[in-house]
Amino acid sequence: EAGVAQSPRYKIIEKRQSVAFWCNPISGHATLYWYQQILGQGPKLLIQFQNNGVVDDSQLPKDRFSAERLKGVDSTLKIQPAKLEDSAVYLCASSLARTSGSVGEQFFGPGTRLTVL
Amino acid sequence: AQRVTQPEKLLSVFKGAPVELKCNYSYSGSPELFWYVQYSRQRLQLLLRHISRESIKGFTADLNKGETSFHLKKPFAQEEDSAMYYCALQEYGNKLVFGAGTILRVKS
Repeated sequence: EAGVAQSPRYKIIEKRQSVAFWCNPISGHATLYWYQQILGQGPKLLIQFQNNGVVDDSQLPKDRFSAERLKGVDSTLKIQPAKLEDSAVYLCASSLARTSGSVGEQFFGPGTRLTVL
Repeated sequence: AQRVTQPEKLLSVFKGAPVELKCNYSYSGSPELFWYVQYSRQRLQLLLRHISRESIKGFTADLNKGETSFHLKKPFAQEEDSAMYYCALQEYGNKLVFGAGTILRVKS
């Protein structure tokens, strides 16, 4: 089956500019995640969607980051305006909806490497 | 706050030697723990999960609630095991909290 798709793979912008990332999850996966991975650290969850509703966005810097999943499939993550500390790899993942007693494996995309100058 | 600690940034071993990647966690509940792996130029992927009690690619990991540890072990390292390994703790709603990762280098 096709995996999680992300674009672009690389992006270089200057601080205060805007940027958007796109993610297409595995077909049929109801849950979609955006992670931020700063160099030398593990991925950190920014936002989690269940279909087109937000489940958890407690670690999303809402003054500059936004995300949407309008039709419950594709998702976009936007940063406006970008700061130097936003330089990171942005990972999208998807999973089947978690059911009672089961653990949903998360499938990751290749990531978008963002450099803010 | 829930936390996952991987104390080693880099672990270097010779081919055929035993491997142990350390992971400690803090969690106020019954934990669900995973190991994810990222090979060079590949995506992050699930290696194993503690509830499955399975061995994948010769790796095993046992949950020790007394020591709050979930160390990843393999008796004989292979060169193809060289990768970045992340320990992760699952919270409510399928949210994963990752450790900082350990690079495993297997030398010939």
